[in-house]
Amino acid sequence: AQKITQTQPGMFVQEKEAVTLDCTYDTSDPSYGLFWYKQPSSGEMIFLIYQGSYDQQNATEGRYSLNFQKARKSANLVISASQLGDSAMYFCAMSSTTSGTYKYIFGTGTRLKVLA
Amino acid sequence: DGGITQSPKYLFRKEGQNVTLSCEQNLNHDAMYWYRQDPGQGLRLIYYSQIVNDFQKGDIAEGYSVSREKKESFPLTVTSAQKNPTAFYLCASSILAGDTGELFFGEGSRLTVL
Repeated sequence: AQKITQTQPGMFVQEKEAVTLDCTYDTSDPSYGLFWYKQPSSGEMIFLIYQGSYDQQNATEGRYSLNFQKARKSANLVISASQLGDSAMYFCAMSSTTSGTYKYIFGTGTRLKVLA
Repeated sequence: DGGITQSPKYLFRKEGQNVTLSCEQNLNHDAMYWYRQDPGQGLRLIYYSQIVNDFQKGDIAEGYSVSREKKESFPLTVTSAQKNPTAFYLCASSILAGDTGELFFGEGSRLTVL
């Protein structure tokens, strides 16, 4: 069965420092996608970054990078130069095939607080 | 602008009543999803649909029903059979392009049972 695990319920980081949010996944599908989303207190979900299972290089999007270690089944999000506006919930997600159809599953999230 | 519209944003319901949450998208996406989010928790999949007139149960479908009569619309009915319906409900869509498509979300509907 597919599963996403985020073991850090909450994290603190000092403004301008880097922070790593952990994500491990489990799937038997050879092809899958890994995503990170940000959810501010307002509730909307914002897409941050994507990594395909066959991608050789780690994905980067501005201050966000995804540390993809396929053998370990981990897809950690690294936020560099943290800003106060980065304070939010962060969710790791995976899309993969189940019985020929694609669906997305999410982890339980990590609440990040950036300190001034 | 293209996007996903959920309504209502806030909804109060008495026990024993069915309620329907609306989700409309003008992104021309094939796939649509309903998730439930409880306080401090992640998103759990209720139902998803990849084409019109077809939908699949997610992990927590009991007490919910959906329809997909039009590509743009994927309403969710929370029935009286749902034992604990108070939650934040998120609708999403994606281009049906395998595993590479990100999800686009609506702003959510917060349901409270009185």
